[in-house]
Amino acid sequence: QLLLQESGPGLVKPSETLSLTCTVSGGSMSTTEYYWGWVRQPPGKGLEWIGSMFYSGDTYYNPTLNSRVTMSVDTSKSQFSLRLRSVTAADAAVYYCARLLSTGVNGRGYFDLWGRGTLVTVSS
Amino acid sequence: DIVMTQSPDSLTLSLGERATINCKSSQSVLYSSDNKNYLAWYQQKSRQPPKLLIYWASTRESGVPDRFSGSGSGTDFTLTISSLQAEDVAVYYCQQYYSTPTFGQGTKVEIK
Repeated sequence: QLLLQESGPGLVKPSETLSLTCTVSGGSMSTTEYYWGWVRQPPGKGLEWIGSMFYSGDTYYNPTLNSRVTMSVDTSKSQFSLRLRSVTAADAAVYYCARLLSTGVNGRGYFDLWGRGTLVTVSS
Repeated sequence: DIVMTQSPDSLTLSLGERATINCKSSQSVLYSSDNKNYLAWYQQKSRQPPKLLIYWASTRESGVPDRFSGSGSGTDFTLTISSLQAEDVAVYYCQQYYSTPTFGQGTKVEIK
């Protein structure tokens, strides 16, 4: 059974860069059927898609975050990563990595498998 | 962006009652080339990640009880729980994947 697990610092200072990694176990990332993505959820609030990527490295970002986001993949380690620059208090959230079943169109799909999430706090 | 609006924001019902959650998109999520509605529903229980319930607006994910059903087309969609169980207490989200993914604000379902 495929499992996703987020890892990274739980505390980031304002203006610095948030870096998270998602490790995929129990299966291969190198499939044309799926994208790999990040979704975040501020405490007590709803869900926001951050970005999706193909195992080949093609990336698709939420336009509202596009200027600050970079996603990357390392299939040899079965990992994909998120970097969010210049964080503020508004970036504090539970960050989920997830698998998207691809519709074949530019990073779009529905999320059929989720990690447990990791809480990131932004504070000096 | 396609804006997804759910109603109501919260719902309190008795065990065994029917729960109906609505989701409206700001533009159609029906793709004409395949006649599919690019809409999914998720259930999120307290302190857990979301769980996929329904995709293509009405296809139940494997393992999801058949008391959960999805319907609708174009811009108006409904998630129905035919007979509410205690384990259904959660927040429910719709999500469109017709364009860059966006979610509804969530509907909280509680037991009276």
